[in-house]
Amino acid sequence: QVQLQQSGAELAKPGSSVKISCKASGYTFTSYYISWIKQTTGQGLEYIGYINTGSGGTNYNEKFKGKATLTVDKSSSTAFMQLSSLTPDDSAVYYCARLSGYGGYYWGQGVMVTVSS
Amino acid sequence: DIQMTQSPASLSASLGETVTIECRASEDIYSNLAWYQQKPGNSPQLLIYDANSLADGVPSRFSGSGSGTQYSLKINSLQSEDVASYFCQQYNNYPPTFGSGTKLEIK
Repeated sequence: QVQLQQSGAELAKPGSSVKISCKASGYTFTSYYISWIKQTTGQGLEYIGYINTGSGGTNYNEKFKGKATLTVDKSSSTAFMQLSSLTPDDSAVYYCARLSGYGGYYWGQGVMVTVSS
Repeated sequence: DIQMTQSPASLSASLGETVTIECRASEDIYSNLAWYQQKPGNSPQLLIYDANSLADGVPSRFSGSGSGTQYSLKINSLQSEDVASYFCQQYNNYPPTFGSGTKLEIK
């Protein structure tokens, strides 16, 4: 079955960067884009953007341009998201997700990123 | 971006009851709407897609309806395992946007 296995929790200092991963299995990796979504208690769920897993092309929500960088490694069926110039507002759970094929998404288990000095 | 207004923010109901959660879009989303269930500490799980289609493995006590800008999720015969947060998501326009969620508790 479709599985999206994300990397572990991150604790980062303000101004630094983190790179989280999302390893896909159970389907042909390049057949579906990977999306990334941010969840916080205050702001709820926010869509960050997606990467075309075949071509590496990306499309970012305007709000996250310059904050998130999406990349992919087809050889390992893994998508990555780097978050840069971290501030406490970047503290959140970050999910990777894949379209279900007919509507809506399948989600990874999420990665908690905590930004604190 | 399309705004999704979800209500109520929280809901308390008894076992066996029927509950309804609503989402209103800021413009017509042509039934391109999904509902998710998120239990504490877990990731969201797809319940409904295309406003009224049940995702694989989802119990039939869950149903979705609506069109245009108004949509709802109904849960019949509430079970203890339905305690969770629920939220809607539109995928008609980019970027996809989400409702603010409804926290469902058992009385």
